Amino acid sequence: AQTVTQSQPEMSVQEAETVTLSCTYDTSESDYYLFWYKQPPSRQMILVIRQEAYKQQNATENRFSVNFQKAAKSFSLKISDSQLGDAAMYFCAYREYLNDKIIFGKGTRLHILP
Amino acid sequence: ETGVTQSPTHLIKTRGQQVTLRCSSQSGHNTVSWYQQALGQGPQFIFQYYREEENGRGNFPPRFSGLQFPNYSSELNVNALELDDSALYLCASSLGQGAVSSPLHFGNGTRLTVT
Repeated sequence: AQTVTQSQPEMSVQEAETVTLSCTYDTSESDYYLFWYKQPPSRQMILVIRQEAYKQQNATENRFSVNFQKAAKSFSLKISDSQLGDAAMYFCAYREYLNDKIIFGKGTRLHILP
Repeated sequence: ETGVTQSPTHLIKTRGQQVTLRCSSQSGHNTVSWYQQALGQGPQFIFQYYREEENGRGNFPPRFSGLQFPNYSSELNVNALELDDSALYLCASSLGQGAVSSPLHFGNGTRLTVT
């Protein structure tokens, strides 16, 4: 069974600085998707960034980028120029290629210090 | 474009009762998934509906059941409520296309408290 592990329950970063959130996963599949979701206090899950496993190039979305290491089964999220609005729970998630079921990690709470 | 809407936002029930949660999918989406998020945990997959049929189920007992209607809205029903069913229930819709993966769009969830 696939699993997703986030080893950092909480992290803090100074506003305008860079922070990296860690995620490892376990799967025997070769094709799959990885995601980072953000959940602010409003509770809505918001997709931050996604990576297709068959793509070697790391995904980027403005200030958000990932470091995808397929052999190591590692998928970290880097947030550059942190802003107060980035404060939220961040979930790493895995999805099989032909299946809509998503497996989430337990999350990392990110605090932004002004 | 209308997003995913869930109702009610909060609900308090007594152990042993039954509850129905509702979800309207985003316009154009034909797939709805339900997730349970216990406090301090990541969401866990309950089941998914595609074109009115159950299309995958997580590790939840049969007292968790669902429906999808012709307009692709969906209901989650939980019978014989237990204290551990207290959680945030999230609905997500997507345009299921088999090999073509479309992003999931989540609603704001229903907070269920069982006393």
